Amino acid sequence: EIVMTQTPLSLPVTPGEPASISCRSSLSLLDSDDGRTYLEWYLQKPGQSPRLLIYRLSDRASGVPDRFSGSGSGTDFTLKISRVEAEDIGVYYCMQSLEFPRTFGQGTKVEIK
Amino acid sequence: QVQVVESGGGLVKPGGSLRLSCETSGFILSDFYMTWIRQAPGKGLEWISGISSSSTYKNYAASVKGRFSISRDNAKRSLFLQMNSLRVDDTAVYFCVRGGGRYGLDLWGQGTTVAVSS
Repeated sequence: EIVMTQTPLSLPVTPGEPASISCRSSLSLLDSDDGRTYLEWYLQKPGQSPRLLIYRLSDRASGVPDRFSGSGSGTDFTLKISRVEAEDIGVYYCMQSLEFPRTFGQGTKVEIK
Repeated sequence: QVQVVESGGGLVKPGGSLRLSCETSGFILSDFYMTWIRQAPGKGLEWISGISSSSTYKNYAASVKGRFSISRDNAKRSLFLQMNSLRVDDTAVYFCVRGGGRYGLDLWGQGTTVAVSS
């Protein structure tokens, strides 16, 4: 199975400042058949179910603010928050959707400094 | 209202069985791949099983393969997870989730708690 590794595991952030989380896969997530990269990002706020932020590397899900963006290629990916807001705290997970079984990263806990 | 609602969790002894259900509403279930995700206490997310829209394809994580079985009834707008030979490390909140193909897991339930303990 594809192993997903996130860094850092903990990220103190300052409201108004940018922040980024890295995710690395053990195998390229590029589908050679359609040329798309199958990497997703989720946010689980405290006490809530996870929410989809990004799919297919950089497509924002419905209702996701444009301060969230996904980028990368092959095996290295980044989620960027252009200006962190207090409501962005929680645990962020990357997940590959290239192959079954789907696999998640360990999660990155984002908290306010 | 577009939602998925899980039920069927509870306390069970090791080696026992449980059947989780997920009732869906507000969308046409037969249009979507569906997924079960779990989260052990204080831990991260674990994908455990998914099923294609017409039940043709079923996928499982190695940790549950041979013990868990996913199914669906599109006419009844429901998804199921039959869990047999339960182990202590199956203790988790189980989420029913819409999606899981290539467009993300876009609708999550609140989860149902399964506790496996003697």
